[in-house]
Amino acid sequence: SAVISQKPSRDICQRGTSLTIQCQVDSQVTMMFWYRQQPGQSLTLIATANQGSEATYESGFVIDKFPISRPNLTFSTLTVSNMSPEDSSIYLCSVVRAGIQETQYFGPGTRLLVL
Amino acid sequence: EDKVVQSPLSLVVHEGDTVTLNCSYEVTNFRSLLWYKQEKKAPTFLFMLTSSGIEKKSGRLSSILDKKELFSILNITATQTGDSAIYLCAVPAEGAGSYQLTFGKGTKLSVIP
Repeated sequence: SAVISQKPSRDICQRGTSLTIQCQVDSQVTMMFWYRQQPGQSLTLIATANQGSEATYESGFVIDKFPISRPNLTFSTLTVSNMSPEDSSIYLCSVVRAGIQETQYFGPGTRLLVL
Repeated sequence: EDKVVQSPLSLVVHEGDTVTLNCSYEVTNFRSLLWYKQEKKAPTFLFMLTSSGIEKKSGRLSSILDKKELFSILNITATQTGDSAIYLCAVPAEGAGSYQLTFGKGTKLSVIP
């Protein structure tokens, strides 16, 4: 499996501010995704991070709120912008490695609390 | 739209018990079904199932898929307190080359001494 790290592991933020979460993988991967898990809920896909181009967002998520970058095959960032308490969640990146189709490996997650 | 339903939503057992977790799915162009274990934040991959009737096994955990009846089960034998976690079932989204996962709500398993 891929070794995935996320920073920060947790944070407490004030409403109206923004937080950027980083995801680093130890090897080149085909696909990178960002998920959100709100308290007591399952994982919901936010977007697919595309290398060198704009991310592909799922219904209900927009670039202005969740800008994503993926400058290379091993790194991506997710920004949660203009935060409100409803953004309090665990944010997870996941990867699909070349040749290992469909099995996704998840990073350790970032637990965000917005006051 | 793809749908994944897990049952039960929560389960409390004693150490040593055997448990069976269920996952049913509705998806066009089924390719695979995945099971994950989530203890704190990150889901840990357990199994990927693609063929009916072939059991996948890892220690005390095993899983099997029934593509005719559109469900999968995850069995845990001789449960231990370390098995306490949320178990998630997921299927890749419709479309060739599509890797986005649709997750069920999960089964929260609590194993008490």
